[in-house]
Amino acid sequence: EVQLVESGGGLVKPGGSLRLSCAVSGFTFSTYSLNWVRQAPGKGLEWVSSISGGPTYIYYAASVVGRFTISRDNAKDSLYLQMDSLRAEDTAVYFCARGNSSSPLKGAFDLWGQGTVVTVSS
Amino acid sequence: DIVMTQSPDSLAVSLGERATINCKSSQSVLSSSNNKNSLAWYQQKPGQSPKLLIYWASTRESGVPERFSGSGSGTDFTLTISSLQAEDVAVYYCQQYYSTPLTFGGGTKVEI
Repeated sequence: EVQLVESGGGLVKPGGSLRLSCAVSGFTFSTYSLNWVRQAPGKGLEWVSSISGGPTYIYYAASVVGRFTISRDNAKDSLYLQMDSLRAEDTAVYFCARGNSSSPLKGAFDLWGQGTVVTVSS
Repeated sequence: DIVMTQSPDSLAVSLGERATINCKSSQSVLSSSNNKNSLAWYQQKPGQSPKLLIYWASTRESGVPERFSGSGSGTDFTLTISSLQAEDVAVYYCQQYYSTPLTFGGGTKVEI
């Protein structure tokens, strides 16, 4: 079965860290770009970061640059998001999503995980 | 940054009637490399993750019902649901993947 399964969310204090994981199955992992998208409570979708299949190319939203790090392990079919210096405004459901191309700028997001909840609060 | 503006914010449509959602980008998303518009439409039902409906502005994703169609080019795009069904109640988002930061529209809530 083709699927993406996120994990690693939870409650963390401001300034803290979390590492999200996205386990992939059912397709050739290394040939697709992968993305993180978040959705704050009651709000719309916000793109966070993308990584190419290579993974030669990495992109971040301005709101997370310098605090979040995206990575992938093609041997383990897994995507990661290391989140440091977390703020209250990072509270959201975090989705991993597959791009239907090896390049983040050449494909829409055709497969999504169910999301993992990150809450940043003291 | 390319700003994506959707309209309306919400709309109520009778079963079997047409629903039209508009999306305007602050600059063209037409790619010169393949002459395609880097524009996608997603459907998100309550409590669920988004689902891809349309990509390259008008290509329907596999398995998506034919009542969903996308049109437009450059900066102005439309998602049309030709005959609204009860299961189409959702929030719909447009997204550009022409340049980073990748950006989504604010969403349009479709109700019966």
